[in-house]
Amino acid sequence: AQSVAQPEDQVNVAEGNPLTVKCTYSVSGNPYLFWYVQYPNRGLQFLLKYITGDNLVKGSYGFEAEFNKSQTSFHLKKPSALVSDSALYFCAVRDTRPPSGGSYIPTFGRGTSLIVHP
Amino acid sequence: NAGVTQTPKFRILKIGQSMTLQCTQDMNHNYMYWYRQDPGMGLKLIYYSVGAGITDKGEVPNGYNVSRSTTEDFPLRLELAAPSQTSVYFCASSLDSSSYNEQFFGPGTRLTVL
Repeated sequence: AQSVAQPEDQVNVAEGNPLTVKCTYSVSGNPYLFWYVQYPNRGLQFLLKYITGDNLVKGSYGFEAEFNKSQTSFHLKKPSALVSDSALYFCAVRDTRPPSGGSYIPTFGRGTSLIVHP
Repeated sequence: NAGVTQTPKFRILKIGQSMTLQCTQDMNHNYMYWYRQDPGMGLKLIYYSVGAGITDKGEVPNGYNVSRSTTEDFPLRLELAAPSQTSVYFCASSLDSSSYNEQFFGPGTRLTVL
């Protein structure tokens, strides 16, 4: 079975400071990992994904994420936060080995609210 | 491409009424999904479809029905609306069965059942 956890409901950071939004996962096979962002009253937008290869993945709007297999983590990072980065962030995982008879349906975390203060 | 579109944007229903939430994608994606989002609860999968004519239940299917007669459309039907169905509903699509493809989401439908 696959699962994903976002241990922080909310992250607060000052504008210009680095930010990290945490995500940990559990899968039977290998993971495909995704980050999405949701601005108020909008649908989710894809930010970046890890499939294989380089552990540091770069995505949209200056975000990046680091895949750490030993710690089963995929934390989202940005070197310098902007007020406009304030949003809800979702981590999602898909197992490369779905359960017998199962499909490649992703599992989402509960989301982390990022608040960037001016 | 318009991507994933949903109608209506907002709707208020009375208890016991029925309605259909529409979802259309123009990206020729095989996979389509319906989620509901409740405050602080993340996304819950209601139903999904891996292609025209094929649908399957997700995590919270009770009180809902779906159909997939075409690749483009994936309507969600609420029968006998209940206050517990007050939520924001998102439709999403992804290209195919490759598990590394990301999902594209619609703008959502905010439903209130009174």
